[in-house]
Amino acid sequence: GAGVSQSPRYKVAKRGQDVALRCDPISGHVSLFWYQQALGQGPEFLTYFQNEAQLDKSGLPSDRFFAERPEGSVSTLKIQRTQQEDSAVYLCASSPQARSNQPQHFGDGTRLSIL
Amino acid sequence: EDQVTQSPEALRLQEGESSSLNCSYTVSGLRGLFWYRQDPGKGPEFLFTLYSAGEEKEKERLKATLTKKESFLHITAPKPEDSATYLCAVQVPNFNKFYFGSGTKLNVKP
Repeated sequence: GAGVSQSPRYKVAKRGQDVALRCDPISGHVSLFWYQQALGQGPEFLTYFQNEAQLDKSGLPSDRFFAERPEGSVSTLKIQRTQQEDSAVYLCASSPQARSNQPQHFGDGTRLSIL
Repeated sequence: EDQVTQSPEALRLQEGESSSLNCSYTVSGLRGLFWYRQDPGKGPEFLFTLYSAGEEKEKERLKATLTKKESFLHITAPKPEDSATYLCAVQVPNFNKFYFGSGTKLNVKP
């Protein structure tokens, strides 16, 4: 498909386990964003990539959260030693250019549940 | 502090009953205000971008307007398929960050 693809759609993990969430942006999109969305809330910014460079990681809640985009396309959000408060939907979005006010295109997210 | 507030949190309308959703914001230097629609279990779907006060955009039964402090999403004669959560987001001057409101959950009854 031509949209943003995220996998897995659902992830259940036990507290203390590490998880990795994948995002395939729209081909050729320069900008990539990760968001965390709690139930009944709007998405909250986590981090931003311009190609392979992580230009803003100010929204990452702790040093247990790590994101990468090594070749400027696919991105992975990794959460180490998961805690119950990490349970949320993690959304990825991409847009065609860098530093522009074009709209973002979102994937359908990964719903993470920590037991 | 950059902030986005949406009201009401939830809105129930009868089919055909027009209404408006509000998004008020406090940001230092708005680059753009975005409206999205989000269905359960799905990611936000882009509706409109507004860039400057006085600007208006329309699409089918939806019309978005922007002032210096708030934006409205007007829904004219809504249908049940318009039921969704409507999110607004503002982009701050560094272009990297978007701040979202908590959304308005709209339910249109037939």
